[in-house]
Amino acid sequence: DVKVTQSSRYLVKRTGEKVFLECVQDMDHENMFWYRQDPGLGLRLIYFSYDVKMKEKGDIPEGYSVSREKKERFSLILESASTNQTSMYLCASSLAAVFAYEQYFGPGTRLTVT
Amino acid sequence: AQTVTQSQPEMSVQEAETVTLSCTYDTSESDYYLFWYKQPPSRQMILVIRQEAYKQQNATENRFSVNFQKAAKSFSLKISDSQLGDAAMYFCAYRSAWSSGDKLTFGTGTRLAVRP
Repeated sequence: DVKVTQSSRYLVKRTGEKVFLECVQDMDHENMFWYRQDPGLGLRLIYFSYDVKMKEKGDIPEGYSVSREKKERFSLILESASTNQTSMYLCASSLAAVFAYEQYFGPGTRLTVT
Repeated sequence: AQTVTQSQPEMSVQEAETVTLSCTYDTSESDYYLFWYKQPPSRQMILVIRQEAYKQQNATENRFSVNFQKAAKSFSLKISDSQLGDAAMYFCAYRSAWSSGDKLTFGTGTRLAVRP
C-alpha cells in the first residue's frame, strides 16, 4: 500500500513564527503536492513538485514556500505564519505517467495560528 | 482556467437507498480526466472512481457509478445501496490531460450523511 505521512496531525503556532510541515511518501512517486482545505472552499493547490528540486506554484502560493531535496520528502514552509493561514493542510503524491494516476493523500495537518 | 462546481453542500440518504451527488465543470479542453474522492471523518482522502473524457462508457466501481455527460459538462456520482461507511465528504476533481505534474482542480465538496 502507498503510504503518505505527515509530520503532525495537529499544530499550534504563534503569529510570525516560521512553520515547517513535512510530508513523506514511500512509493517512489515523482509528483508531490501541498493543498489547503477550508470549509466551503474545497481543496486548493499551494505548490507542487514533479521532481527533486523542481517546483511550481499552484493557485494560492502567497505566504508559502516549499522544498524538495529528496524524492520522498516534500516540505511546506510558512515563512511568517499569520492567522489567515489557520487551516487543514493535505499532502499528496502520484506517479508520473501518460495515463492519469490517482493522487494518494496523507492524513492532514490541522494548523492553528494564534 | 478550469472550474469545478458542486452545488450541494450537504446531502442525506437512508441506509440501503440510492443517492446522487452532482458535479459540473467548465473547460475548453477536449481531453481530460474526472475523479470523485471520498474523505471520511478524520481519515485520509481516497479515490472512489475515475472517468476518462474520451471514454463514452460510464465508469463503475461496485456500488459507485458515474453519469458522465460530456456535452453538458456534468459528472454525477451515484451511490447504490448506501452504507453507514459511505458517510463522508465527497469531492469532484478535474485534471487536464496535458497538465504538468498531474494537477487536480477540486470542487468545494458535498457532505453526505447516511441515516440508519
